[in-house]
Amino acid sequence: SQTIHQWPATLVQPVGSPLSLECTVEGTSNPNLYWYRQAAGRGLQLLFYSVGIGQISSEVPQNLSASRPQDRQFILSSKKLLLSDSGFYLCAWSVGGGEDEQYFGPGTRLTVT
Amino acid sequence: SQQGEEDPQALSIQEGENATMNCSYKTSINNLQWYRQNSGRGLVHLILIRSNEREKHSGRLRVTLDTSKKSSSLLITASRAADTASYFCATGGQGSGYALNFGKGTSLLVTP
Repeated sequence: SQTIHQWPATLVQPVGSPLSLECTVEGTSNPNLYWYRQAAGRGLQLLFYSVGIGQISSEVPQNLSASRPQDRQFILSSKKLLLSDSGFYLCAWSVGGGEDEQYFGPGTRLTVT
Repeated sequence: SQQGEEDPQALSIQEGENATMNCSYKTSINNLQWYRQNSGRGLVHLILIRSNEREKHSGRLRVTLDTSKKSSSLLITASRAADTASYFCATGGQGSGYALNFGKGTSLLVTP
């Protein structure tokens, strides 16, 4: 069966510090991978998606970046965090594209102070 | 970008009652999905309905889709306290091509 892991579960970082969130998927090959952010009381905002190793598409301009160094590994990074980067970050994967359901990880709660 | 818009934003009912949530969207879709999110957790897929389907059932869930009105509804019958969560609709197949566009969600509270 497939599983998706995210870590850390919670993170408190000062403004201007770097960020690295990791997501890994097990039990499937060549998944589509996604990073979403959820602000308090809001829906999900798609940040990045990837359809293969090294292929990253960005949905919104921001100071975040994503990388996919391995087939089932997706990393969200920032060189310098802003207060506005606080939120709940969710990684997801799917077999197909928008036709298929997505499977979400447990999320990372990021607080920038 | 968010396309789906859920209504109401919040809903409070008692156990045993039915809960109905609505979703409206703006552009053509290939499918519409409903997800549940328990507080502070990831999302769980509930049901997917394709644009050529009008109604779909899964256990106590019933989803309808009206593409002419660009709207969908999620009905939870005989609700339980464990159904307390936020419910999101998401449209797929358009825009980003691979990603889903989520609404802001309906917060459902089921009291014993």
